[in-house]
Amino acid sequence: AQKVTQAQTEISVVEKEDVTLDCVYETRDTTYYLFWYKQPPSGELVFLIRRNSFDEQNEISGRYSWNFQKSTSSFNFTITASQVVDSAVYFCALSEGSGYSTLTFGKGTMLLVSP
Amino acid sequence: DTGVSQDPRHKITKRGQNVTFRCDPISEHNRLYWYRQTLGQGPEFLTYFQNEAQLEKSRLLSDRFSAERPKGSFSTLEIQRTEQGDSAMYLCASSSGGAVNTEAFFGQGTRLTVV
Repeated sequence: AQKVTQAQTEISVVEKEDVTLDCVYETRDTTYYLFWYKQPPSGELVFLIRRNSFDEQNEISGRYSWNFQKSTSSFNFTITASQVVDSAVYFCALSEGSGYSTLTFGKGTMLLVSP
Repeated sequence: DTGVSQDPRHKITKRGQNVTFRCDPISEHNRLYWYRQTLGQGPEFLTYFQNEAQLEKSRLLSDRFSAERPKGSFSTLEIQRTEQGDSAMYLCASSSGGAVNTEAFFGQGTRLTVV
């Protein structure tokens, strides 16, 4: 069975600090996809990134970067120079298989960035 | 079409009443998903449509729940004889089809409160 663990329930940082959100997953499939979503107070889940299990290259998008390590089944998310607007709940999710597949979400990490 | 649209945004109902929610997916997306999110948890999968066919249902979807997607366009989720435990955010998502597991885009959700 697939499972996603986000051990950090809540993280508080001061603006401009770097912060890393941890995600550990479990799956028996060799083909799977990993996702990060952001959920601001408005409630809508905003897609951030999708990675497949065959692509372990790290990715950087502006202040966001992702570190995918199959050896430790982790897909961590780092925000560099955090801003107040980054305050939200961040979810890591896993989808097995190569076709459609439903998402299994972690419990989320609430990030609070104070000025 | 700017994204997935859900209606209503909020619904308060008395226990025992029936409620119906609507989801309008991104127009070119043939896959549609319903998820439920309770406080402090990640979204949990309820059901999935490809075009008008309901292809998967979670065990969370009791016989009081029914979902439809007539003509493969909008979808409705109905809960009959609501219970207090049904209070949650109901999220709809859509994605494009194909062999690749593409990312799902979520609506802002319908928050249901059963009193």
